[in-house]
Amino acid sequence: DAGVIQSPRHEVTEMGQEVTLRCKPISGHDYLFWYRQTMMRGLELLIYFNNNVPIDDSGMPEDRFSAKMPNASFSTLKIQPSEPRDSAVYFCASSFLGGPPGELFFGEGSRLTVL
Amino acid sequence: GNSVTQMEGPVTLSEEAFLTINCTYTATGYPSLFWYVQYPGEGLQLLLKATKADDKGSNKGFEATYRKETTSFHLEKGSVQVSDSAVYFCALSEVSGSARQLTFGSGTQLTVLP
Repeated sequence: DAGVIQSPRHEVTEMGQEVTLRCKPISGHDYLFWYRQTMMRGLELLIYFNNNVPIDDSGMPEDRFSAKMPNASFSTLKIQPSEPRDSAVYFCASSFLGGPPGELFFGEGSRLTVL
Repeated sequence: GNSVTQMEGPVTLSEEAFLTINCTYTATGYPSLFWYVQYPGEGLQLLLKATKADDKGSNKGFEATYRKETTSFHLEKGSVQVSDSAVYFCALSEVSGSARQLTFGSGTQLTVLP
């Protein structure tokens, strides 16, 4: 079975540019999470969806960040405009209602560097 | 609110040494507890879990016991290998309405030397 698939794996961009990160969750999973990982702040939950509907976006840092899930097999996290402090590894994870709470399946992450 | 406190790292051990990584938690209800592992350049993956008090989770030689009286879930392994070098995260989850969020600890970097 394919796991959670994220793209791109690495992105280097300049300050002010738009960045779009993509995620394909595991088929049949109805929860999707976006996390950010930095040395300073560790793992932070940005937003999560249930059945394509955003449930909690309180972790989204500011209006420059937006996330969408147009269908059950695709989600995007967009940063516009990007800033150097957005440099981090962004993880997507998915899970399903029938599984134990907290058992998430993570993608390999998208490492973003904003110069 | 919920929180997880992990032993500060980094931890460096020789191969075949005994490993303990401490984890304590604060929760309002009765959470499920997890250890996740992150190998270099990869995403997190579930290592083991325990869903109620006194449960012992185990996998790949790692064990952790859910201790409600001490609110702890310490990770142990009797004999570590070089391939165990990774970052280990303790986490908890409570089901509250439709919320299925994990609260993670800060992670503990483990390096095992040959």
